[in-house]
Amino acid sequence: EVQLVESGGGLVKPGGSLSLSCTVSGIPFNLAWMSWVRQAPGKGLEWVGRIVSKGGGGTADYAAPVKGRFIISRDDSKNTLYLEMNSLQIEDTAVYYCTWIPKCSDGSCYLDYWGQGTLVTVSS
Amino acid sequence: DIQMTQSPSSVSASVGDRVTITCRASQSISTWLAWYQQKPGKVPKVLISGTSGLRSGVPSRFSGSGSGTDFTLTISSLQPEDFATYYCQQSNSFPWTFGQGTKVEIK
Repeated sequence: EVQLVESGGGLVKPGGSLSLSCTVSGIPFNLAWMSWVRQAPGKGLEWVGRIVSKGGGGTADYAAPVKGRFIISRDDSKNTLYLEMNSLQIEDTAVYYCTWIPKCSDGSCYLDYWGQGTLVTVSS
Repeated sequence: DIQMTQSPSSVSASVGDRVTITCRASQSISTWLAWYQQKPGKVPKVLISGTSGLRSGVPSRFSGSGSGTDFTLTISSLQPEDFATYYCQQSNSFPWTFGQGTKVEIK
């Protein structure tokens, strides 16, 4: 059974930092491409970023609103995905989901198996 | 960035109705489009990938079509469990982007 479990959410002041974790089981994590997606309260889905496997180069790409402030990383020995968030702004308040990208080729790329999400609240 | 625009933003429909949701990309995305369903308080679930590929376990009443900039998600006969919000998402180029969502409500 594939499971993704996020942790690390909480309340942080504007300008502060927070680090989220996502522990993954049920898939070969070292081969997995992973993504973070967020959803502000009552709003739609917003893609945050994606990281490829180490074998694929280990590179990460980001959405414009978080580029330069957020860093996605992974520790394959711990089957864990991370999202380091810096210079947090009120508009970063959202539920943050980690998701698995089972396939990204031949015109098809999608997000499957989502964690339950962790709430990040940025407020003074 | 590629903007994804869904229409309508909401639709009221009855059980058994045919429902069509449109997603338009601001530039060509070939077939790099997926559709997701999200029910209140639940995590999103992928329905369709690669524009028209039905994911495992998704009922055949769901179908997707299109290419380039114009795409549709069709529910051929709406069932009670289909009342939810639907999102399109492009992965043709970074940053990946979602549509704003279409809420399918009970009429």
